[in-house]
Amino acid sequence: DTAVSQTPKYLVTQMGNDKSIKCEQNLGHDTMYWYKQDSKKFLKIMFSYNNKELIINETVPNRFSPKSPDKAHLNLHINSLELGDSAVYFCASSQPYGHNTGELFFGEGSRLTVL
Amino acid sequence: SQQGEEDPQALSIQEGENATMNCSYKTSINNLQWYRQNSGRGLVHLILIRSNEREKHSGRLRVTLDTSKKSSSLLITASRAADTASYFCATVIYNQGGKLIFGQGTELSVKP
Repeated sequence: DTAVSQTPKYLVTQMGNDKSIKCEQNLGHDTMYWYKQDSKKFLKIMFSYNNKELIINETVPNRFSPKSPDKAHLNLHINSLELGDSAVYFCASSQPYGHNTGELFFGEGSRLTVL
Repeated sequence: SQQGEEDPQALSIQEGENATMNCSYKTSINNLQWYRQNSGRGLVHLILIRSNEREKHSGRLRVTLDTSKKSSSLLITASRAADTASYFCATVIYNQGGKLIFGQGTELSVKP
């Protein structure tokens, strides 16, 4: 039974299109994250939600919009895709959150290729 | 520049040897964590060490933390081909609300 699952695993699309990635966790965690991993494997935090409330919003273009319908789900919608958006996007969850943030549980990643 | 920087960027060893990876960071932390990422997969948590701890063990893993030098090391003893992966350190920065910042990773290759 997968703890953090994200779909789709692969997306290939044209510049200018809009795409969404969905994430669900069944761990009962309150906090969920989106990370972006570039071609050099550098992982950068994008967003974090705690109990459906946005708590971290790094300097990410407005074209990226996260949505958390409930604490088990965190989706990422990307408008007007650009070549530089090509990356692997990881969803993660954790408990607890805050200055004692513990282990993050990651999904398997969604590889986005923008042509 | 990044909060966490790892050294070396790549490491190639023979099965049975020990592998040591180092991580340096810039600001005060609450805890430091190590993760493994197999090719094409998500990251998997290995071990967490708190800022008031100096050393921690888990199976063949040994992690040290030196807060005065702002550095940590991960030692994998008696490595196996299955240990081939990228290893990342990540820090929870003091007073930044729980944000986990990752280093650039060390690519470990263990040859059979």
